[in-house]
Amino acid sequence: DAKTTQPPSMDCAEGRAANLPCNHSTISGNEYVYWYRQIHSQGPQYIIHGLKNNETNEMASLIITEDRKSSTLILPHATLRDTAVYYCIVRVRRSGNTPLVFGKGTRLSVIA
Amino acid sequence: DSGVTQTPKHLITATGQRVTLRCSPRSGDLSVYWYQQSLDQGLQFLIHYYNGEERAKGNILERFSAQQFPDLHSELNLSSLELGDSALYFCASSVAGEVINIQYFGAGTRLSVL
Repeated sequence: DAKTTQPPSMDCAEGRAANLPCNHSTISGNEYVYWYRQIHSQGPQYIIHGLKNNETNEMASLIITEDRKSSTLILPHATLRDTAVYYCIVRVRRSGNTPLVFGKGTRLSVIA
Repeated sequence: DSGVTQTPKHLITATGQRVTLRCSPRSGDLSVYWYQQSLDQGLQFLIHYYNGEERAKGNILERFSAQQFPDLHSELNLSSLELGDSALYFCASSVAGEVINIQYFGAGTRLSVL
């Protein structure tokens, strides 16, 4: 699975959009981008995933660049409850189930 | 609520002891994963079971073992505990056989070894 690079921390004002970048310059054509978050010592929570098209769900939007070397997770209206560590994970599209490899992630602080 | 249940929530024990952590996966999920999160190591994969069979091992110590039972719940056994085993232990489950592998995590067991 390709390696990812994320900034260690970011701040965002409450009510504003939080844009969390992830670099995955060695991603290959059969690898998906997944985002999870962990709110203070709780279990990690799945947010969204994508291959090459932009994706949106009730939690967030995922924008993947055309060359797929980077992506941005967007929380459109951040709230204090979105303060968490966000993990960008790249995984090969495969059958069967394999473990997740977590990096250090980005610690997002939403400020009132 | 992820649907994954872990018990107990907290566990305090002494060095040299043995403990068992329990995980009930989401209904219908055949895969169970165990992860350890300590302050200095981040989230580390320990072991994966699929429908009762061990499928993959990560950074799991020989003092640790796990099993998945016919009803699909899983137990992680930690023995000869050391201070460094103090950590959060998470269990996750996922649906079988899908190429998009979304894992759902429990709330974790916080183990304190004194």
